[in-house]
Amino acid sequence: GAGVSQSPSNKVTEKGKDVELRCDPISGHTALYWYRQSLGQGLEFLIYFQGNSAPDKSGLPSDRFSAERTGESVSTLTIQRTQQEDSAVYLCASSLSGVETQYFGPGTRLLVL
Amino acid sequence: GQQLNQSPQSMFIQEGEDVSMNCTSSSIFNTWLWYKQDPGEGPVLLIALYKAGELTSNGRLTAQFGITRKDSFLNISASIPSDVGIYFCAGVMKTSYDKVIFGPGTSLSVIP
Repeated sequence: GAGVSQSPSNKVTEKGKDVELRCDPISGHTALYWYRQSLGQGLEFLIYFQGNSAPDKSGLPSDRFSAERTGESVSTLTIQRTQQEDSAVYLCASSLSGVETQYFGPGTRLLVL
Repeated sequence: GQQLNQSPQSMFIQEGEDVSMNCTSSSIFNTWLWYKQDPGEGPVLLIALYKAGELTSNGRLTAQFGITRKDSFLNISASIPSDVGIYFCAGVMKTSYDKVIFGPGTSLSVIP
């Protein structure tokens, strides 16, 4: 497809389980961003990738959160031992040149019961 | 840390009315961005502002980069039902990379 895709679109899990969220950026986009959007809130920056490396991981809320990117393409955000406060929409964006040109995916809606 | 404030938090307006919303911060930004988010979708960029005092239009949308570089506003003229959504401002800081901070959003409802 032409845009950023994310999977799954919705995920319901039980507290304590691990989840993996996937982002497929636009082909050729070297920059990739993960954000979290809680209900009624703005976007909270989580992590930024330039190529396969992550210059800024400062937004990850805790050590239960990790992300990787391989082949300058797909990225996976992993949340271990999920908590109810992890419930949110997780958005991915990719960019060719600069954050102002980032294109967002539709997000993964995560609900932790 | 850096924080953006957006006002109003929500708006209910009649179709055809003009809308004004703004974004303020205690921090200086190099770039201001305005996004619109429809339900179930990711945000889409509406306008980017790069220079203090800059006034930029995109159809019925007009946005300005405040002179102090700590604020920005967005105006929508002659609102239509498809303007419904959440409008986010975002400030960009130039560090070793572009760091973007999002505001909490303004929810706009248009009554036909």
